[in-house]
Amino acid sequence: EVQLVESGGVVVQPGGSLRLSCAASGFTFDDYAMHWVRQAPGKGLEWVSLISWDGGSTYYADSVKGRFTISRDNSKNSLYLQMNSLRGEDTALYYCTKGSDVGTTTLLDYWGQGTLVTVSS
Amino acid sequence: DIQMTQSPSSLSASVGDRVTITCRASQGISNYLAWYQQKPGKVPNLLIYAASTLHSGVPSRFSGSGSGTDFTLTISSLQPEDVATYYCQKYISAPGTFGQGTKVEIK
Repeated sequence: EVQLVESGGVVVQPGGSLRLSCAASGFTFDDYAMHWVRQAPGKGLEWVSLISWDGGSTYYADSVKGRFTISRDNSKNSLYLQMNSLRGEDTALYYCTKGSDVGTTTLLDYWGQGTLVTVSS
Repeated sequence: DIQMTQSPSSLSASVGDRVTITCRASQGISNYLAWYQQKPGKVPNLLIYAASTLHSGVPSRFSGSGSGTDFTLTISSLQPEDVATYYCQKYISAPGTFGQGTKVEIK
């Protein structure tokens, strides 16, 4: 059974930094790309970032480019999202999601339960 | 970047009704179109991919069609457990843009 468990969500002040983590199990982690998707309270889904199976390729939504960094540690079956220069509009539930293949398509076949990031003073 | 536009933004229908949701891409995406279902308070789940292929375990009352820029999600006979918000997403390449969502309620 595929399991994705996010952690790291907290209340942080504007301009602050935060690192989200996702522990994956139930599949061969380094066979798949991984993604982060977020959902602001009461709003729709927003794709945030993608990392290829080997970490060699990364992509970002324009809204987070230059502020967020996605990474992975295949030896630990873990995905990360380093979030810097946080803004109020980054307040959201952040989902760790499994890609359906190794590369740069963005089909998401399994989702974690999410971790809540609140940016507020 | 390619934009995804869904319509309607919400709908209310009776149990047993046929429900149709449309999704339009601002540029052609072949059949790289997925639909997700998010029930109230729950995590989104993949429903359909490749425009018309049902994900494992999805009931056959759900179907998808389309190619290029225009796509449709159909629920052939609406059930109470189908109350949810439905999102389309293009996945041909990053960014994996979602539509704004369609909220489906029971009348």
